[in-house]
Amino acid sequence: EIVLTQSPGTLSLSPGERATLSCRASQSVSNSYLAWYQQKPGQAPRLLVYGASTRATGIPDRFSGSGSGTDFTLTISRLEPEDFAVYYCQQYGNSPPHTFGQGTKLEIK
Amino acid sequence: EVQLVESGGGLVQPGGSLRLSCVASGFAFSSYWISWVRQAPGKGLEWVANIKQDGSVKNYVGSVKGRFTIFRDNAKNSLDLQMNSLRGEDTAVYYCAREGIGGNDYWGQGTLVTVSS
Repeated sequence: EIVLTQSPGTLSLSPGERATLSCRASQSVSNSYLAWYQQKPGQAPRLLVYGASTRATGIPDRFSGSGSGTDFTLTISRLEPEDFAVYYCQQYGNSPPHTFGQGTKLEIK
Repeated sequence: EVQLVESGGGLVQPGGSLRLSCVASGFAFSSYWISWVRQAPGKGLEWVANIKQDGSVKNYVGSVKGRFTIFRDNAKNSLDLQMNSLRGEDTAVYYCAREGIGGNDYWGQGTLVTVSS
């Protein structure tokens, strides 16, 4: 089972700043099948990025994903007020379970 | 419009059983893998199980193997999760989610399962 470790646990930034979130896998993620989700309180998760770097339908271009192997990054270029939420990575390239990271909380500074 | 609607959650005693349902609409249900993902109160997401388009392949996370069973009925566009021998650590919001080109692209609103005496 692949373990995904996200860092930092909490990130405090101001609107307009750049956010960099990290997701590290305990072993290589096949085909870079790594997804990122955003979750706001009381809501279901929302798919942002899949295949490590492909934005999902309707996702603004300020969100970008990168990485391969065991190290992946989600970057939000200029934070908007609605971007403050919890972010999760998930690997779906290796045999199930399709594990999630523990999450990074992005909070307003 | 793609929709997934879960139901069946509630309060159950430890050792008890519960069956969750998920009804899908707005897409060709039989063409997609479907997952169950859960989230304990105040905690992160945990992948629970998934099922192939024709129901021939089912996968489970280790902590639920032998206790949970995932089913689908493509004629009814529905997915079930039969949960037996429930434990306190199974308390969570349970989401069904479609597996798209990559990751889970559509999610239901979730149904809360509480295991407590």
